[in-house]
Amino acid sequence: KAGVTQTPRYLIKPRGQQVTLSCSPISGHRSVSWYQQTPGQGLQFLFEYFSETQRNKGNFPGRFSGRQFSNSRSEMNVSTLELGDSALYLCASSFGQAVDEKLFFGSGTQLSVL
Amino acid sequence: SQKIEQNSEALNIQEGKTATLTCNYTNYSPAYLQWYRQDPGRGPVFLLLIRENEKEKRKERLKVTFDTTLKQSLFHITASQPADSATYLCALDRGSGGYQKVTFGTGTKLQVIP
Repeated sequence: KAGVTQTPRYLIKPRGQQVTLSCSPISGHRSVSWYQQTPGQGLQFLFEYFSETQRNKGNFPGRFSGRQFSNSRSEMNVSTLELGDSALYLCASSFGQAVDEKLFFGSGTQLSVL
Repeated sequence: SQKIEQNSEALNIQEGKTATLTCNYTNYSPAYLQWYRQDPGRGPVFLLLIRENEKEKRKERLKVTFDTTLKQSLFHITASQPADSATYLCALDRGSGGYQKVTFGTGTKLQVIP
């Protein structure tokens, strides 16, 4: 069974531009959550999607947005990039049917904003 | 405000000894708590889940305790090996609302010295 796949693995972008990250969940999983990880702040929850609907959202500005497609694949978009957006972006998938399900993470996209 | 604290950023122990990692939380009433392992450049990997009505959970060399009165979880690795060196994250959620918003601690980096 294939794991969670995130693309691209690395990304370098200048300030002010926008970026789109992709996440393909494990087959059968309908929930996809996104996290930002930085050395100082650790893993910060961005948002969670289930069946193409955003179910929960963390405390990030509106520049961070996401969507989920009918095949459960998800994309995350960051517009008007700032230096502070440099981080490892992780997505995690689960069945999304119970609150105590374990999360399966991808290897992340390392974003560097110059 | 809600906070999850893991006892230290780094912990060094000798091979064969028991490693004990601490996770303390405030202003949460979690229904369950999870522990994950993260290796450099990779996403976290689920290890154990313990529910609020469980005092202790074991899996091979791993043991987790959950004290809702002290608002603390302890994670033990017995007979530690160099391969156990990684960052360990605790994560919790209130378990309400029918969806996940798993919040992570900042992690403890464990180094097992041969």
